[in-house]
Amino acid sequence: AQTVTQSQPEMSVQEAETVTLSCTYDTSENNYYLFWYKQPPSRQMILVIRQEAYKQQNATENRFSVNFQKAAKSFSLKISDSQLGDTAMYFCAFMKVGSNTGKLIFGQGTTLQVKP
Amino acid sequence: EPEVTQTPSHQVTQMGQEVILRCVPISNHLYFYWYRQILGQKVEFLVSFYNNEISEKSEIFDDQFSVERPDGSNFTLKIRSTKLEDSAMYFCATSREGLSEAFFGQGTRLTVV
Repeated sequence: AQTVTQSQPEMSVQEAETVTLSCTYDTSENNYYLFWYKQPPSRQMILVIRQEAYKQQNATENRFSVNFQKAAKSFSLKISDSQLGDTAMYFCAFMKVGSNTGKLIFGQGTTLQVKP
Repeated sequence: EPEVTQTPSHQVTQMGQEVILRCVPISNHLYFYWYRQILGQKVEFLVSFYNNEISEKSEIFDDQFSVERPDGSNFTLKIRSTKLEDSAMYFCATSREGLSEAFFGQGTRLTVV
């Protein structure tokens, strides 16, 4: 079974600075997708970024980038130039490719507070 | 921009009552999911649904739960006899394909009293 672990329950960062959220996962699969979702106080889940395991290049999306280390089973999210609107809970998630059901397995989440 | 719509946004129900949570998927999406999040905890997979049948379900999704797409548009989650521990935020998600990005609705907060 796959598991996703986020070891930082809470983090804070000053506005305009950079912060990195950690995520590790455990799987015996070779082909999978990894995601970061953002959950602001409104509670809606919003996709931030996605990484295919077969791609060596780290995904980037504007101020958001990942450091994907497949051998170490690590998938961290870097937020550059943090903004107040980045305050939210962030979830790392895993999707196995083989089953084709689209099931996401989430980590426990990291609450990020961006301070002015 | 197309979005997944869930109704109601908040439902309060008495223990033992049946509830139906509704979701309108994005129109060309073929895969549908329900997830739940107990307050302060992680988001947990309940069930995935494709081609009018369940493709995968979790241990949480026991006989008290059922899903259907009765009219080809709405996707519903029914809890037959609610328990206090069913109190949670329930999220519907849909995707165009099984391996593509899942779009989440805004959630239904279910409170069982």
